[in-house]
Amino acid sequence: ETGVTQSPTHLIKTRGQQVTLRCSSQSGHNTVSWYQQALGQGPQFIFQYYREEENGRGNFPPRFSGLQFPNYSSELNVNALELDDSALYLCASSPGGLRADTQYFGPGTRLTVL
Amino acid sequence: SQELEQSPQSLIVQEGKNLTINCTSSKTLYGLYWYKQKYGEGLIFLMMLQKGGEEKSHEKITAKLDEKKQQSSLHITASQPSHAGIYLCGADQGNTGKLIFGQGTTLQVKP
Repeated sequence: ETGVTQSPTHLIKTRGQQVTLRCSSQSGHNTVSWYQQALGQGPQFIFQYYREEENGRGNFPPRFSGLQFPNYSSELNVNALELDDSALYLCASSPGGLRADTQYFGPGTRLTVL
Repeated sequence: SQELEQSPQSLIVQEGKNLTINCTSSKTLYGLYWYKQKYGEGLIFLMMLQKGGEEKSHEKITAKLDEKKQQSSLHITASQPSHAGIYLCGADQGNTGKLIFGQGTTLQVKP
């Protein structure tokens, strides 16, 4: 157990809808990163938040947006869902540096877009 | 942009056998991370390598980073069913904590 939780566990949406995924970081962690993992692929970096500010973004369109709150929990929002958005969404929190060895991953949210 | 290629993509071994998974980078690695993932679950951190020639072990799993820092290998000795899962290598892009990953290697261990 890493102390990072994500909700919901599973979600089914239809094309064109909007979705919000949530991540609760491990206590004391002020950095959160979000990844998208399509079936049979490695995770792809979406974006990272550090102390409530976006701190880097991968190759994802603007309809993928995020927020980090003062308690360092985080949300990933996806608008205008497409079939290709079906994936496992992972968040990872870090305690204060940006080194990956201290990233702790949550169990993920499985999103299915019909 | 940097890319990571893992081989093999999948592996089936008999319990007790040794195995090796490779990860090759298109650019010099500044930090190479190995994770294990059970299907549909989060990633479990195994090891991090930073220096060329570095080797680390945890229980029956050993990882190495070659001298030129463009390839890493993960070796499992005397495999057990508990080793089954997806093994992912990840690289830290510029020491920022933003990881890129290989496509993963799926390991099955037959009892």
